[in-house]
Amino acid sequence: DAEITQSPRHKITETGRQVTLACHQTWNHNNMFWYRQDLGHGLRLIHYSYGVQDTNKGEVSDGYSVSRSNTEDLPLTLESAASSQTSVYFCASSDPNQPQHFGDGTRLSIL
Amino acid sequence: GESVGLHLPTLSVQEGDNSIINCAYSNSASDYFIWYKQESGKGPQFIIDIRSNMDKRQGQRVTVLLNKTVKHLSLQIAATQPGDSAVYFCAETLSGYALNFGKGTSLLVTP
Repeated sequence: DAEITQSPRHKITETGRQVTLACHQTWNHNNMFWYRQDLGHGLRLIHYSYGVQDTNKGEVSDGYSVSRSNTEDLPLTLESAASSQTSVYFCASSDPNQPQHFGDGTRLSIL
Repeated sequence: GESVGLHLPTLSVQEGDNSIINCAYSNSASDYFIWYKQESGKGPQFIIDIRSNMDKRQGQRVTVLLNKTVKHLSLQIAATQPGDSAVYFCAETLSGYALNFGKGTSLLVTP
């Protein structure tokens, strides 16, 4: 069965470090998305991609970057981790005009 | 920017009763709406969707109603079961790409 997987599921790191969260989907979807989820804010869009070599900024993109070198993967990088980036991160993928499929998230703690 | 909101942050219902979760949206141009269910420690799971050319859509035990006049969306769950306890999110999108999520309603089903 097709799926979307995120790794790691949990990570603890220190402020100032670079962190990369992985997202891999086997749906063959062109569209991929990264969200963060915080209490009181719901899910907020960080970055998204509509295909290979395409990336776009979302609502809360400062301090984050993504790259799309193939259809299956959209890694999310925190260039210099800050405590305000402690959150749960979700990756999703979809075909255009279809529901997004979500991974089970990465819980990131920045100390 | 425009945002999706929810009328109630928590909803408690008895097992077997019907549940209604409401959502207000403010972007009149949105043309696709999705309801997601999120259980603890997991990613959002698709429940049902509706496009702006419809006002009602039914699934298994769930019905989504769309009122474009007042920009209101609701999710009805029939014969609510303990397994329905979760956080429910509505999401809106224009042309089926990046989603704008509401903050969520927590549904608690009591025996």
